[in-house]
Amino acid sequence: DAGVIQSPRHEVTEMGQEVTLRCKPISGHNSLFWYRQTMMRGLELLIYFNNNVPIDDSGMPEDRFSAKMPNASFSTLKIQPSEPRDSAVYFCASSFHRTRRDTEAFFGQGTRLTVV
Amino acid sequence: DAKTTQPNSMESNEEEPVHLPCNHSTISGTDYIHWYRQLPSQGPEYVIHGLTSNVNNRMASLAIAEDRKSSTLILHRATLRDAAVYYCILRGPTSGTYKYIFGTGTRLKVLA
Repeated sequence: DAGVIQSPRHEVTEMGQEVTLRCKPISGHNSLFWYRQTMMRGLELLIYFNNNVPIDDSGMPEDRFSAKMPNASFSTLKIQPSEPRDSAVYFCASSFHRTRRDTEAFFGQGTRLTVV
Repeated sequence: DAKTTQPNSMESNEEEPVHLPCNHSTISGTDYIHWYRQLPSQGPEYVIHGLTSNVNNRMASLAIAEDRKSSTLILHRATLRDAAVYYCILRGPTSGTYKYIFGTGTRLKVLA
């Protein structure tokens, strides 16, 4: 397996534009996580899906952020409209969750977003 | 969410063992202890995890205290490639969810 695949790797956009980040989890995994990393705030969990259903979106900063998982092999994180303070590295991770047996998460290489 | 406490930074000489501590005094009986590391300009990478017993794998060993309120990640022979930020995470069914919540981690510097 190629691992968790994120696209694009780098994105530069102007303030006010819509930005869509994409993630393809590892085949067979049933949990997917979106994170944001900045120097000031570290790694923050934004949202977590299990079996394509959002379980916890308490980390999503505001209504400008939305995430979807239309099927088990694809997820998007959208920011509309984008602002300079959204500049960060966004990571996607996936894992196979089973009750009573814990497993590890696998992270993608991240998307570096710069909003100017 | 249960919290972990780690030193901000540690240094080690190359080819010597490294013991990275983590305190998790509020751990619940069903929380697993996970360790991840993040190399420069990369996403976090799984290292090891355990519940109660000590664990070994090809990357490291995990020593878990008998009361489970602390754990230690052991790198048996540090190399320059092991320089990274190491995160200790608790993961379990608290509040009915299984989330990976990252703290600030320990930045490990390996000296040649």
